Amino acid sequence: DAGVIQSPRHEVTEMGQEVTLRCKPISGHNSLFWYRQTMMRGLELLIYFNNNVPIDDSGMPEDRFSAKMPNASFSTLKIQPSEPRDSAVYFCASSISGSGLNEQFFGPGTRLTVL
Amino acid sequence: AQSVTQPDIHITVSEGASLELRCNYSYGATPYLFWYVQSPGQGLQLLLKYFSGDTLVQGIKGFEAEFKRSQSSFNLRKPSVHWSDAAEYFCAVALSNDYKLSFGAGTTVTVRA
Repeated sequence: DAGVIQSPRHEVTEMGQEVTLRCKPISGHNSLFWYRQTMMRGLELLIYFNNNVPIDDSGMPEDRFSAKMPNASFSTLKIQPSEPRDSAVYFCASSISGSGLNEQFFGPGTRLTVL
Repeated sequence: AQSVTQPDIHITVSEGASLELRCNYSYGATPYLFWYVQSPGQGLQLLLKYFSGDTLVQGIKGFEAEFKRSQSSFNLRKPSVHWSDAAEYFCAVALSNDYKLSFGAGTTVTVRA
């Protein structure tokens, strides 16, 4: 079992550039979550997909952030244009369903640095 | 308002000593409770979880946690820590019918030789 796969692991970009983070959830999992982790705000849920459909995007900070899940095995989180305050570690997690009963499995994260 | 509190930001413990990490929650009902561990440069890994039943739950890596309803607490313990236990530990809660996992701020554990 490969677990949740994220790419890239590290990304350094300049302010104003577009950044795309990628996630492959565990096969058979119907729910996918994107989180952001910063020193100031801790772990924040950005968006939640269930069966490839965005259910809750209330955590997305602003219109510069967008997320898609074109199929059950792939999701992207895009930031355009990026800003230095977007620097953080972004985690993708998946679970069998969206119930609180089910464990969320986390990927290794993407460390984003915006200069 | 619903909240998860980890009162200790940083704990230093000697190898072989016992460890206890505190977690308190404020929810209208008893939520599902989790402890995750994050090693440096890694994602979060589930240590243990409590849904119902026996209030003392066993997890991986020799960890256990006790749910105390009267204190709204779910403290994590390990009788004897190993250097590899140095990491950040997060308490998290979820409601049974809700997908949202709310995390505490985390406790960083340093293990000294």
